[in-house]
Amino acid sequence: DTAVSQTPKYLVTQMGNDKSIKCEQNLGHDTMYWYKQDSKKFLKIMFSYNNKELIINETVPNRFSPKSPDKAHLNLHINSLELGDSAVYFCASSQDRGVWTQYFGPGTRLLVL
Amino acid sequence: SQQGEEDPQALSIQEGENATMNCSYKTSINNLQWYRQNSGRGLVHLILIRSNEREKHSGRLRVTLDTSKKSSSLLITASRAADTASYFCATPLYNQGGKLIFGQGTELSVKP
Repeated sequence: DTAVSQTPKYLVTQMGNDKSIKCEQNLGHDTMYWYKQDSKKFLKIMFSYNNKELIINETVPNRFSPKSPDKAHLNLHINSLELGDSAVYFCASSQDRGVWTQYFGPGTRLLVL
Repeated sequence: SQQGEEDPQALSIQEGENATMNCSYKTSINNLQWYRQNSGRGLVHLILIRSNEREKHSGRLRVTLDTSKKSSSLLITASRAADTASYFCATPLYNQGGKLIFGQGTELSVKP
């Protein structure tokens, strides 16, 4: 069974569109994260939720809106997609907020044309 | 700015050789973690070393931590072609929700 899953795996879309990426974890963890990996493989945190509560909100354009319907799910909605949004987006989870090991999903490769 | 920097950025070795990657960080830490990313895949957690530990082993992996120098190293012994991947060090910031700050990664290529 996949511990952290993301859908879709690939997403190709036009500029200006709105898209969502879904993430689910079956580890029973309380904390979930979204990271963005750019073309140079640099990974940067975007958001984190702990028990459905937003605890990290980095300097991310407000076109990006995370939503956590329950602690096992953390979705990422992106409005008005721009070319610069093209990247790989990773979801991760950890037992709790703090300094725990994080478990990553397979990533969603977003290409904005 | 980035918490971690890794060295070298790229490393190419033959199967059977050892591979050493280094990581430096800037602030005090609770622990340091190493992750592997195969091409086109997600990150896999390899090993976590706490700030009060100096060395840790897991199979063919050996991690050291020197908090006085704010540096860590990952040694992969007897490398295999399947070890070809990018390797990242990461430090969680406890007072910022545990967000991981990643180094830029080392791309390891192991030639058969």
